[in-house]
Amino acid sequence: GENVEQHPSTLSVQEGDSAVIKCTYSDSASNYFPWYKQELGKGPQLIIDIRSNVGEKKDQRIAVTLNKTAKHFSLHITETQPEDSAVYFCAASNNAGNMLTFGGGTRLMVKP
Amino acid sequence: DGGITQSPKYLFRKEGQNVTLSCEQNLNHDAMYWYRQDPGQGLRLIYYSQIVNDFQKGDIAEGYSVSREKKESFPLTVTSAQKNPTAFYLCASSIDLASGGAGEQFFGPGTRLTVL
Repeated sequence: GENVEQHPSTLSVQEGDSAVIKCTYSDSASNYFPWYKQELGKGPQLIIDIRSNVGEKKDQRIAVTLNKTAKHFSLHITETQPEDSAVYFCAASNNAGNMLTFGGGTRLMVKP
Repeated sequence: DGGITQSPKYLFRKEGQNVTLSCEQNLNHDAMYWYRQDPGQGLRLIYYSQIVNDFQKGDIAEGYSVSREKKESFPLTVTSAQKNPTAFYLCASSIDLASGGAGEQFFGPGTRLTVL
């Protein structure tokens, strides 16, 4: 089955700096890669996703890149703000029954 | 939390008791899921259902049971057979791929279960 590794497990940045979170996956058939943001005590919220037919996708300060050959994808957050502090999860799916396999999560702390 | 509700938010039970967690969605989604999240950990799939009256075991189904009698509802029962039930439980839903969905899963706010 699919295995998703996520790094780093914790990340601390200064407000205004950029943050990068990386994930690798094992199943070459995976073709859908969402990123979720989870605030304390709440359910995860989808913030951006990418499919295997594109290499990069942007939404304001957030971007995701995908390298299918190397089987890794990354979340980039620019101009970080304190409200970006949360746990971020990557996931991968080969769209077989809508199943997602999640990474272990990254706790991002943005210092004012 | 748009359209997916979980109740209660906090639940306390004595060891050995069965407990049922509620999950309801008004998004007309076909597929529903239950995940377990332990402190500092990722999400692990317990059960999922792609259609009414049908459900499949996930990676950690032992000690749990589900039903899917209605499209809108997917309750999870944590039985006394679950050895370590204290955790944060998350319900999610998605439009089935066969119905034109794209794979996105949307999560409810979660239920924190504590077994005393």
